[in-house]
Amino acid sequence: QVQLLGSGGGVVQPGRSLRLSCAASGFTFRTFGMHWVRQAPGKGLEWVGTISYDGRDKRYADSVRGRFTISRDNSNDTLYLNMSGLRPEDTALYYCAKDRHPLQKPATLIDFWGQGTLVTVSP
Amino acid sequence: EIVLTQSPATLSVSPGDRVTLSCRASQSVSRYLAWYQQKPGQAPRLLIYDTSYRATDIPARFSASGSETDFSLTISRLDPEDFAVYYCQQRSDWPLTFGGGTKVET
Repeated sequence: QVQLLGSGGGVVQPGRSLRLSCAASGFTFRTFGMHWVRQAPGKGLEWVGTISYDGRDKRYADSVRGRFTISRDNSNDTLYLNMSGLRPEDTALYYCAKDRHPLQKPATLIDFWGQGTLVTVSP
Repeated sequence: EIVLTQSPATLSVSPGDRVTLSCRASQSVSRYLAWYQQKPGQAPRLLIYDTSYRATDIPARFSASGSETDFSLTISRLDPEDFAVYYCQQRSDWPLTFGGGTKVET
């Protein structure tokens, strides 16, 4: 079955960097676009960014563009979110999710979600 | 940015009730509207995509309709496991955006 296991979260000071990872299994990772979506404590869902199945097409929310970078390693079935210049408002549970349709560009249909990894930005 | 407004914010209902949730877009999203269910402590789950297509293993009591700017999700007979927060989301244009959610509570 599809599994998305996030890791790399933690407590970090403002201005610092952090890298989240998402290990995928149960599907052909290299053929699906992937997404990051975050949820601040007690709040709603906010799309962060999307990467195409081949890694060539990346899209970002305005709130993170220039600070966050999405990448993927198709040989190791892993998705990454590199976060720099972290701010307190970046505090959230970060979900990685797979797209519904294989080989789609752009990938826009968020299908299966992992359990999320918590990032806390605090002095 | 396309803004999605969900109503009501909270819906107090009982098991067996018929429930209808609304999602309104600030501009047309054609048919590219999805619905997700999120239970406490869990990740969201895709229920409906492209207005009316049920996702894998979603019970038939969930249905949805709409077009352009006005969409709805209906639960024909509310099951106790359906108490959750429901989000709509558009994929018509970047950035992908979500509504603020409707909490279905008892």
